[in-house]
Amino acid sequence: KQEVTQIPAALSVPEGENLVLNCSFTDSAIYNLQWFRQDPGKGLTSLLLIQSSQREQTSGRLNASLDKSSGRSTLYIAASQPGDSATYLCAVPQAGNNRKLIWGLGTSLAVNP
Amino acid sequence: GAGVSQSPSNKVTEKGKDVELRCDPISGHTALYWYRQSLGQGLEFLIYFQGNSAPDKSGLPSDRFSAERTGGSVSTLTIQRTQQEDSAVYLCASSLGGGNTEAFFGQGTRLTVV
Repeated sequence: KQEVTQIPAALSVPEGENLVLNCSFTDSAIYNLQWFRQDPGKGLTSLLLIQSSQREQTSGRLNASLDKSSGRSTLYIAASQPGDSATYLCAVPQAGNNRKLIWGLGTSLAVNP
Repeated sequence: GAGVSQSPSNKVTEKGKDVELRCDPISGHTALYWYRQSLGQGLEFLIYFQGNSAPDKSGLPSDRFSAERTGGSVSTLTIQRTQQEDSAVYLCASSLGGGNTEAFFGQGTRLTVV
């Protein structure tokens, strides 16, 4: 049974720092991995999707890496800004027909001005 | 539409009443999911629709919950005889389907049962 874990649960950093959020999964036979952002009281915004054949994806100041063999993904945020404050979630589709997403509990990030 | 649209954004209802939550997916997306996010917990899968196939209802927590998807587009999640433990944010997502599982979410419906 696939399980997804995110560390740390919460992170508080001063503006401008580079930071790394971690996501691990127990079954390395994943189809892809998706990172999301959730602002308080809001829905989820897709940030990056990494296919199983890829090692990393970049979007602006965000870089997500994937190491299937070790069951890990990292989300790197460069030059953090107060507007990056949110909860970051990672998810992998379950193997099988429905491809429902299996979720971590998220990392709550606060970037302080 | 440009994105996944959910309505209402907020719903307060009395215990025992029925509620309907609506999701309008991205045009052309054949796959539609409902998830629930309770306070302090991870997202919980509820139900999955793919094209004209029979839905996967394996995540529905009780028979008070049901969902339908009309014409392969708009979906309605119905909760009958609501209970306080049903209070949560209900999130809808759609994806192209088939081999493309990238999910796009709506803003959610915050349901409060009082």
